[in-house]
Amino acid sequence: GEDVEQSLFLSVREGDSSVINCTYTDSSSTYLYWYKQEPGAGLQLLTYIFSNMDMKQDQRLTVLLNKKDKHLSLRIADTQTGDSAIYFCAEEARSFMNTGFQKLVFGTGTRLLVSP
Amino acid sequence: DAGVIQSPRHEVTEMGQEVTLRCKPISGHDYLFWYRQTMMRGLELLIYFNNNVPIDDSGMPEDRFSAKMPNASFSTLKIQPSEPRDSAVYFCASKLRDRGTWNEQFFGPGTRLTVL
Repeated sequence: GEDVEQSLFLSVREGDSSVINCTYTDSSSTYLYWYKQEPGAGLQLLTYIFSNMDMKQDQRLTVLLNKKDKHLSLRIADTQTGDSAIYFCAEEARSFMNTGFQKLVFGTGTRLLVSP
Repeated sequence: DAGVIQSPRHEVTEMGQEVTLRCKPISGHDYLFWYRQTMMRGLELLIYFNNNVPIDDSGMPEDRFSAKMPNASFSTLKIQPSEPRDSAVYFCASKLRDRGTWNEQFFGPGTRLTVL
């Protein structure tokens, strides 16, 4: 079955880089995702990477994918206090009903705390 | 568009009572999802609908949980009878069908349910 694991907590100082790690199990996942959840809010898609890519950069965000080790990471450069949130890694998995739809399986989330 | 709308935002009820959570997806979206978020289990997919039809309910924890989508603009998740272990944040999400390009899931703000 599919499973996504993340460390629970990361604390950094403002201006430092943050690296959030994730491991997944479904080698057939086509896309892998990073979502951000701010307090009291729903999840917001930050970025995603296609499985045939090793790296994707989007402004302060860098996603690295190691398919061999099934390891995904999110690097946030110049971390700001506004980046404090919970970050979820998610993989696609074939729906049990095999309808062709790729449902998302989320990790438990990593709580990022950025101190001034 | 106002995004995915959920109501109520907070619900406190007593064990044994019936609870109904409501969701209005983004207009025109083909898929609707119900998720549950807890500290212990993270974010779990409970059920999803495609064009108002339930497709995969393998995540629904037990018969006390039921979900309906009577039309394209409304869905309910009902718990009867409720138990303290049902306390969680319940998210609704919707997305367009992927037609050549991938479309993201948009999440509502969630309903925080507390069962005493």
